[in-house]
Amino acid sequence: SQELEQSPQSLIVQEGKNLTINCTSSKTLYGLYWYKQKYGEGLIFLMMLQKGGEEKSHEKITAKLDEKKQQSSLHITASQPSHAGTYLCGADRSSNYQLIWGAGTKLIIKP
Amino acid sequence: NAGVTQTPKFQVLKTGQSMTLQCAQDMNHNSMYWYRQDPGMGLRLIYYSASEGTTDKGEVPNGYNVSRLNKREFSLRLESAAPSQTSVYFCASRGQNNQPQHFGDGTRLSIL
Repeated sequence: SQELEQSPQSLIVQEGKNLTINCTSSKTLYGLYWYKQKYGEGLIFLMMLQKGGEEKSHEKITAKLDEKKQQSSLHITASQPSHAGTYLCGADRSSNYQLIWGAGTKLIIKP
Repeated sequence: NAGVTQTPKFQVLKTGQSMTLQCAQDMNHNSMYWYRQDPGMGLRLIYYSASEGTTDKGEVPNGYNVSRLNKREFSLRLESAAPSQTSVYFCASRGQNNQPQHFGDGTRLSIL
């Protein structure tokens, strides 16, 4: 089983609608990273969250980390075709050099 | 503005052949990583190098070897390729532990 659980696994959304993707751990996360991957390409870094309760936004994407630092959400407002792709969360669990990863959420935007 | 560069982008091998995947970063990062990505499995860490001169096993190291040639370069070698190693391989680098990893575009490897 994944140490980081992402939900949903896939999502089909009408263009213009809002959506939320979740990333959950049973253990405290020391840092949480959101990435986007288009089919056949590498991972593009979106945002990093480190403090409990932290929220960051970039254009129409908002990411939050809960106070307990065990769950993060990625919210897209007024979705556009350019938002289509797979979103992955990665997290630091301790001071070592490795990240743990969610399995990804595949987002399809219907025109 | 290269970032992390991987070569080759595509490769087809026969079972038993060997090959080396190359990775170079120009961001002066200390840590470098090799992952494989398979459908439904997410990213799995093969090997990583916390700093120049050190390498450590990740989650799935069997069948692979790595070399941290210098601070910029981290290569992944398949000594005797097997069909189970068909995958997309990503190299990443990171400056410090509380910073994001930066990824290359990947190498799509098929082993027949």
